[in-house]
Amino acid sequence: AQSVTQPDIHITVSEGASLELRCNYSYGATPYLFWYVQSPGQGLQLLLKYFSGDTLVQGIKGFEAEFKRSQSSFNLRKPSVHWSDAAEYFCAVGSGTYKYIFGTGTRLKVLA
Amino acid sequence: NAGVMQNPRHLVRRRGQEARLRCSPMKGHSHVYWYRQLPEEGLKFMVYLQKENIIDESGMPKERFSAEFPKEGPSILRIQQVVRGDSAAYFCASQSPAGTGGGEQYFGPGTRLTVT
Repeated sequence: AQSVTQPDIHITVSEGASLELRCNYSYGATPYLFWYVQSPGQGLQLLLKYFSGDTLVQGIKGFEAEFKRSQSSFNLRKPSVHWSDAAEYFCAVGSGTYKYIFGTGTRLKVLA
Repeated sequence: NAGVMQNPRHLVRRRGQEARLRCSPMKGHSHVYWYRQLPEEGLKFMVYLQKENIIDESGMPKERFSAEFPKEGPSILRIQQVVRGDSAAYFCASQSPAGTGGGEQYFGPGTRLTVT
């Protein structure tokens, strides 16, 4: 069955520190992969996507993610976190661009 | 180009009433998806519609829930005889037709339904 796992429910980092949010997926074919960010009471904003090609994907707000087929992972990274990055982050997998399956999210807290 | 619009943003209904949630996709987008987000959970797919057609409703409860996307006007998610368990955030996403645009889904701000 198709699934997405975000093993970390909460993560706390200090401002300026590096960040890595984990995402593992289970999918039969080559997946389309996405990371979205959701601020409290808001909708989802797309940070980046992977369809094919270069496995290191650059996104908005200084985020990047790396697709590792052998590990079925698509971890999100940022070298230096800003206080405004505090939000909830969702990884999603799709068949083409249809019917996304979302992980349960990782809530990021940033310490000043 | 306005983004995906949803209204109302907040909706309070008593048990047994009907809830109607509206979604206007981005200009040029003819595909609409509805997702539900329960507290402390990720988004769960409910239904995928194209203009005047339901493509996939496998995520929608069999009873009390229905969705439409008419030729003119917004997509509507309708919940009849709401129960407390329907309290959630309902998100709409729109997408350009296959073969155009980047293919990703763009999300609206959501409607937060509270059933009292």
